Amino acid sequence: DAKTTQPNSMESNEEEPVHLPCNHSTISGTDYIHWYRQLPSQGPEYVIHGLTSNVNNRMASLAIAEDRKSSTLILHRATLRDAAVYYCILRTSGTYKYIFGTGTRLKVLA
Amino acid sequence: GAVVSQHPSRVICKSGTSVKIECRSLDFQATTMFWYRQFPKQSLMLMATSNEGSKATYEQGVEKDKFLINHASLTLSTLTVTSAHPEDSSFYICSARLAHNQETQYFGPGTRLLVL
Repeated sequence: DAKTTQPNSMESNEEEPVHLPCNHSTISGTDYIHWYRQLPSQGPEYVIHGLTSNVNNRMASLAIAEDRKSSTLILHRATLRDAAVYYCILRTSGTYKYIFGTGTRLKVLA
Repeated sequence: GAVVSQHPSRVICKSGTSVKIECRSLDFQATTMFWYRQFPKQSLMLMATSNEGSKATYEQGVEKDKFLINHASLTLSTLTVTSAHPEDSSFYICSARLAHNQETQYFGPGTRLLVL
């Protein structure tokens, strides 16, 4: 299964944009990139996913590098409620399993 | 939106007893459900893939006789931790994949198991 690498932690000020990076250098052409976030003692929450093109939804934007070896989750205006662990996951073609990496713990400062 | 529930939300049991955890998709049918385990300060670890009407597929290192999975309907999967021991204490989370939208998984709120 392809692996992802994320920084252990990041900090952001409230109401500022946040760029959460993810490296996935072993990604194959048909692997989807998924982002979830998890608050303490809760199950992960879907944020966004994409394959090749950049994606936008009401929660965030996903910017995918042209070679697909990295991606960036963009929160346009961080709020205190965005403080969570963010996971970048590759969904391998042929299976619908998610293999979670270590994730990035985002701290939002008031 | 797609909602997944788990029951119970937390359970405390004595060592040697068995504990059953239910995972339900409330407003959709799920052909596939997944079970994860998460220890404190760690990431989620996939335990098994549960397909409706067939045997579960376990990840390497997960004992199938220890963690019994039954997926009897399109809305319910159960995980039974048999003869639980303190080292089985963990946060157990299920997820479900919509039959018609195969890309996204929806996660339950988790079940915290404490074995004394």
